[in-house]
Amino acid sequence: GQQLNQSPQSMFIQEGEDVSMNCTSSSIFNTWLWYKQDPGEGPVLLIALYKAGELTSNGRLTAQFGITRKDSFLNISASIPSDVGIYFCAGHFGNEKLTFGTGTRLTIIP
Amino acid sequence: EADIYQTPRYLVIGTGKKITLECSQTMGHDKMYWYQQDPGMELHLIHYSYGVNSTEKGDLSSESTVSRIRTEHFPLTLESARPSHTSQYLCASSRLGGEGEQFFGPGTRLTVL
Repeated sequence: GQQLNQSPQSMFIQEGEDVSMNCTSSSIFNTWLWYKQDPGEGPVLLIALYKAGELTSNGRLTAQFGITRKDSFLNISASIPSDVGIYFCAGHFGNEKLTFGTGTRLTIIP
Repeated sequence: EADIYQTPRYLVIGTGKKITLECSQTMGHDKMYWYQQDPGMELHLIHYSYGVNSTEKGDLSSESTVSRIRTEHFPLTLESARPSHTSQYLCASSRLGGEGEQFFGPGTRLTVL
């Protein structure tokens, strides 16, 4: 089946820093999505991307759908304490099921 | 805002008990899903449904069963719980044709002693 490699696995940053994470796939997707999961909660959809090359922002978050359709990245600018959590990328193609990445755990160091 | 609910949020039970995890959504979505997730790890699809009376098995083999008698309701049942079933169970829904945009419930954290 399809596999999504997400990196980095974890990040330790200071408040105010920018964050960048990415996701790569062995096959193409028609839709890329980024979710955030807080401890003990379900994932919440942050950004959805539908077109190769698309760049979409949601507040301090910016995500891009790679030209090859096999990758996507998520940037967070000027991180704040509530950004802490696990970020998952996910890819979707045709009628197939959603494939989730392995997650990036973001920790903010005081 | 997504309107999808799961109960209970936390459940601690003994081995051999029968349990049902409830999931309801008020968005009128046709498709619903159950995922299993160990803490901090990736999500694994265990069941999904295209609509009423439709149920399919996901990628991860599971001893649980599901039913879809009403559009808004997608309960998951374990006939005889075992410690290996200890995990977080997440329910999600999406509209037909919008499978990429799934909305998740808060999850049920199950511990089997």
